[in-house]
Amino acid sequence: EIVLTQSPGTLSLSPGERVTLSCRASQRVSRHYLAWYQHKYGQAPRLLIYATSTRATGTPDRFSGGGSGTDFTLTISRLEPEDFAVYYCQQYGSSPLYSFGQGTKLEIK
Amino acid sequence: EVHLVESGGGLIQPGGSLRLSCAASGFSVSGEYMSWVRQAPGKGLEWVSVIYSGDNTYYADSVKGRFTLSRDYSQNTLYLQMNSLRAEDTAVYYCARNPLYYYDSSGYPPYFDSWGQGTLVTVSS
Repeated sequence: EIVLTQSPGTLSLSPGERVTLSCRASQRVSRHYLAWYQHKYGQAPRLLIYATSTRATGTPDRFSGGGSGTDFTLTISRLEPEDFAVYYCQQYGSSPLYSFGQGTKLEIK
Repeated sequence: EVHLVESGGGLIQPGGSLRLSCAASGFSVSGEYMSWVRQAPGKGLEWVSVIYSGDNTYYADSVKGRFTLSRDYSQNTLYLQMNSLRAEDTAVYYCARNPLYYYDSSGYPPYFDSWGQGTLVTVSS
């Protein structure tokens, strides 16, 4: 079973700052099968990045994804007020078929 | 525009049954890969089940044997039949679409590109 561990659990930052979120897998994940989501309270989750580094339709270019093997990152180059939310990484292909990290919460400092 | 609307959630006693619906618009559920994902209170996202284009279904171990995923092409709706419900099934349930991602001449459904707003299921006596 692949376990995704995200760090840190919570980050307190100010608008305009740059942030990199980490997602570490317990086993190798194909770069085709790693995605990132943004989730705000009371709303549907939103796909940001798929295939490790491809931005989904409508994702601003301040969001970028990277990594390979067991270590993946999501970087926000300059935080906007609407970016404060919970972010999840997600893998496909190994038992369980789909799994998510536990999430990283970005909160306003 | 793709739109997914879940319904059918509510308060149910442990051991009871509930059927969730997910009405789709803007695309046809037939031939699409579709999933249910849930979020328990204070917890993260957990994948529950997926139906493939050939109607093969797969389940998380936590719900296998208790939940059944199906779809009605005429209603363009996805369903999740939940039996033998437990307190730990309490969550907001989202339906989501899994588009095919192609590489090496094959298509795979590795992510969720459209989500509904969710429906809350509370299992409690």
